[in-house]
Amino acid sequence: DQQVKQNSPSLSVQEGRISILNCDYTNSMFDYFLWYKKYPAEGPTFLISISSIKDKNEDGRFTVFLNKSAKHLSLHIVPSQPGDSAVYFCAASQDDYKLSFGAGTTVTVRA
Amino acid sequence: DTGVSQDPRHKITKRGQNVTFRCDPISEHNRLYWYRQTLGQGPEFLTYFQNEAQLEKSRLLSDRFSAERPKGSFSTLEIQRTEQGDSAMYLCASSLDPAARYTQYFGPGTRLTVL
Repeated sequence: DQQVKQNSPSLSVQEGRISILNCDYTNSMFDYFLWYKKYPAEGPTFLISISSIKDKNEDGRFTVFLNKSAKHLSLHIVPSQPGDSAVYFCAASQDDYKLSFGAGTTVTVRA
Repeated sequence: DTGVSQDPRHKITKRGQNVTFRCDPISEHNRLYWYRQTLGQGPEFLTYFQNEAQLEKSRLLSDRFSAERPKGSFSTLEIQRTEQGDSAMYLCASSLDPAARYTQYFGPGTRLTVL
């Protein structure tokens, strides 16, 4: 059972514009959410996170929004840069050890 | 500061053979995790260690799989009698508890191909 879903397998965006990645979850017990970025031949690298007690967290060009009532979170990247081209995974946790991941969204930033 | 390392990076084996993978976590991290990722999917949790104790195992971890973390340092994941369905990327991650309990740092993975 897929508790974390990323329904868009790919996203293409022009350099300098905003990238918006979406993630839905079904488990209301999740209390912490993370975004990871993955380049080919590398492991996922942590990008940004948000606790369920917040609705927004910002770190430089990256902002994560959480809508608990809709069980939805999104990652905004502004402005998008060519180095942002990667696979982005949404992950969630209800305890302090197990992360449940979505299937990922491949972002391509066009020059 | 070296990150999480995994060895080997690639392993090709024949069905029925045993394989063993190694993970070296970030040195001060006391938690170590194993995940499996198949094509087109995100990583799936397999098991984790707090120091040398294995505290949780997923139902994905059949009895052909065994993981150890002697002395709370590196960890090994062994798969006995490999099957074609075991072909996947095996990812190791580590974290420091409790300072960053939710942020896990991943290694590059070991890609297993079972022929």
